[in-house]
Amino acid sequence: DAGVIQSPRHEVTEMGQEVTLRCKPISGHNSLFWYRQTMMRGLELLIYFNNNVPIDDSGMPEDRFSAKMPNASFSTLKIQPSEPRDSAVYFCASSLDDRGSYEQYFGPGTRLTVT
Amino acid sequence: GQQVMQIPQYQHVQEGEDFTTYCNSSTTLSNIQWYKQRPGGHPVFLIQLVKSGEVKKQKRLTFQFGEAKKNSSLHITATQTTDVGTYFCAGHEDSSYKLIFGSGTRLLVRP
Repeated sequence: DAGVIQSPRHEVTEMGQEVTLRCKPISGHNSLFWYRQTMMRGLELLIYFNNNVPIDDSGMPEDRFSAKMPNASFSTLKIQPSEPRDSAVYFCASSLDDRGSYEQYFGPGTRLTVT
Repeated sequence: GQQVMQIPQYQHVQEGEDFTTYCNSSTTLSNIQWYKQRPGGHPVFLIQLVKSGEVKKQKRLTFQFGEAKKNSSLHITATQTTDVGTYFCAGHEDSSYKLIFGSGTRLLVRP
């Protein structure tokens, strides 16, 4: 099993540019989570999908952030326009259930730097 | 809203010494999970505790879930340099899918 796959692993962009992060969850998992990790705020849940449907996006910082899951094997997190304060490591995680009671498998993350 | 606090923030130990991190929730949890994140890596699931007062062991690691299901601890006996990393607890409230992560305890081990 390849685990959760994320791309790119590193992204450096200028303020105002659009950034798209990609995630392929583990095959068969029906829950997908996007997290952001910073030193100041720790691990924050941005959005949660269950069976490709967004269930809770209350963690999405503002309208500049959007996420989609067009099918069970692919999700994107888009930031438009990006700002320096968006610099962080973004993790995608997948899980086998819809109640969140099973362990989450994290991808390697995308380290985003916005200059 | 639910908050999960973890202490200490950092712990620097000599190899062979024991280490403990503590996790406290503002609300009762249905279960608690522990994750380890190596420097530059991603969180990796270690274990889940569900029952009140539950104790589980993984080699040198001992995990406890409090009787009131509001606190938990992770104890490492005789630390090794491979134990270096940040340990996170994460809890679910009843009927909630949302896993709330603690702030983590960063463990450094001097060889």
